[in-house]
Amino acid sequence: EIVLTQSPGTLSLSPGERATLSCRASQSVSSNYLAWYQQKPGQAPRLFIFGASSRATGIPDRFSGSGSGTDFTLTISRLEPEDFGVYYCQQYGSSPQTFGQGTKVEIK
Amino acid sequence: QITLKESGPTLVKPTQTLTLTCTFSGFSLSTNGVGMGWIRQPPGKALEWLALIFWDNDKRYSPSLKSRLTITRDTSKNQVVLTMTNIDPVDRATYYCTRWWRGPFDYWGQGALVTVSS
Repeated sequence: EIVLTQSPGTLSLSPGERATLSCRASQSVSSNYLAWYQQKPGQAPRLFIFGASSRATGIPDRFSGSGSGTDFTLTISRLEPEDFGVYYCQQYGSSPQTFGQGTKVEIK
Repeated sequence: QITLKESGPTLVKPTQTLTLTCTFSGFSLSTNGVGMGWIRQPPGKALEWLALIFWDNDKRYSPSLKSRLTITRDTSKNQVVLTMTNIDPVDRATYYCTRWWRGPFDYWGQGALVTVSS
């Protein structure tokens, strides 16, 4: 089973700042099958990035995903108030698919 | 428009069997490349994948819970059912129904909170 470790646990930033979230895998993620989800309190997660770097429908271009192998990054170029929440990475290249423990992006 | 909605008991007694139903619309589980999954999230904790059923009726389960889970589908009713046996208080979580589209989970239900208590 591939273990995903996300860092930092919490990111305290102001609107307009750049956010960089990391997801590190214990083994190489097959075909860069890595997704990112955003979750807000009381809501279901929402798919933001799949295939490590492809934005899901309706996701603004200030969100970008990058990386390969075992190291992946989600970057938010300029934080907007609606971007705050918890972000999870997920690998779906190997069974069982697994999630990271999440990074909380909060308002500073 | 794609929608998914979970239904089932909100309170289950320890050792009982939990049965959750996902009713969906806007797509067909018979379409090549489509699957339906269940994911849970204990309060304040991370997401945990539980089970998947695919367009060809292939099924996958979390290895740690495989002995307790069964996933089935009724394509005529657009429903997917998850059963979990021998429920324990540690199974208290919000259970999400999701659509799997060739890898990622692109649509999610609102979630169903299940509490385990005698």
